[in-house]
Amino acid sequence: EVQLLESGGSLVQPGGSLRLSCAASGFTFRTYDVSWVRQAPGKGPEWVSTISGSATGTYYTDSVKGRFTISRDNSKNMLYLEMNSLRAEDTAVYYCAKVRLGATRDFDYWGRGTQVTVSS
Amino acid sequence: DIQMTQSPSSLSASVGDRVSITCRSSQNIKNYLNWYQQKPGKAPKLLIYAASSLESGVPSRFSASGFGTDFTLTISSLQPDDFATYYCQHTYTTLITFGQGTRLDIK
Repeated sequence: EVQLLESGGSLVQPGGSLRLSCAASGFTFRTYDVSWVRQAPGKGPEWVSTISGSATGTYYTDSVKGRFTISRDNSKNMLYLEMNSLRAEDTAVYYCAKVRLGATRDFDYWGRGTQVTVSS
Repeated sequence: DIQMTQSPSSLSASVGDRVSITCRSSQNIKNYLNWYQQKPGKAPKLLIYAASSLESGVPSRFSASGFGTDFTLTISSLQPDDFATYYCQHTYTTLITFGQGTRLDIK
């Protein structure tokens, strides 16, 4: 059974930093791209970042470029999101999601999410 | 970036009704269009991928169609479990975007 479990969310002050983790199981982690998606209160999902299975390719939405870094450790089946210079608008539930192999690249499995709140 | 626009934003319907939700992209995305269902406090759940392919385990009352810029999700006979918010998503480029959502309420 595919499982994704996020952790690391918390309350942080504006300008602060946080590292989110996502533990994956139930599939051959290194084979799949994985993504972070966030959802602000009362809003729809927003794609944040994707990393390829081999970690050779990383992609970011414009609003987090230069502040967030996605990475993975395939030996530990772990996905990470390093978040710096956090802003109030980064407040959201952050989900990790597995990307289906093939052309469609939909998100076929999601974790339960971890809450990030940026506030003084 | 490709913009995804859903309509309506909200919809009230009754159990047994047939409902449709539309999603329009700002440019041609071929069939790189997916649909998700989300319930309060839960992660989105994949329903449809590649515009019209039903995800494993999803009831057959869900169907979808479209290509290019115009897409439709249809629920043939609403069940109590279907009242939720629905989102479309394009994966045509590496810069992925979601629609703003359609909230489906019980009439």
